[in-house]
Amino acid sequence: SAVISQKPSRDICQRGTSLTIQCQVDSQVTMMFWYRQQPGQSLTLIATANQGSEATYESGFVIDKFPISRPNLTFSTLTVSNMSPEDSSIYLCSVTSGINNEQFFGPGTRLTVL
Amino acid sequence: QKEVEQNSGPLSVPEGAIASLNCTYSDRGSQSFFWYRQYSGKSPELIMFIYSNGDKEDGRFTAQLNKASQYVSLLIRDSQPSDSATYLCAGTLAGGTSYGKLTFGQGTILTVHP
Repeated sequence: SAVISQKPSRDICQRGTSLTIQCQVDSQVTMMFWYRQQPGQSLTLIATANQGSEATYESGFVIDKFPISRPNLTFSTLTVSNMSPEDSSIYLCSVTSGINNEQFFGPGTRLTVL
Repeated sequence: QKEVEQNSGPLSVPEGAIASLNCTYSDRGSQSFFWYRQYSGKSPELIMFIYSNGDKEDGRFTAQLNKASQYVSLLIRDSQPSDSATYLCAGTLAGGTSYGKLTFGQGTILTVHP
């Protein structure tokens, strides 16, 4: 499986600010995704990060709030903009790999907004 | 109705017993199903995937899929305290804009007590 790293691993931010989370994969992958896991909850897909084109967002998530970049096949960023305490969550990137398109997750970024 | 639902937990089993985790899904177009294990404070780890009707075994784990009943399960034989975690069921559609996207159930907390 692909090795995925995320930076930062955690951060504490003030409301109204923005944070950019980086996701780096050790091999080229076709599909990259960003998920959110709110405290005590399951995972919710934010968007699919498309290489060379705009990300595809799920219902309830918009580009102005969660801009995503994917400049190449091994790297993506997710920005959480104009943060509020409700954005406090774990943000995870994932990639598909293998002949059965298994999906693997990065270690996550734990965000706390005060 | 949620697209992927897991049996309500938490589930507690004695060491050495079989733990049975269940999941139903609403979209008949769902193609593949994945079971993830998530330890507290960690990201989800892929345990099993299944896309054909029937059983699939890997060590102490057996995944079962019944597409007619829209039912997926995970059996853990000879449960160990180290199996104590949250288990997440996820399904994916194939093709089109849904390709590779995972929809997660709410998770089932499993505790294996000595």
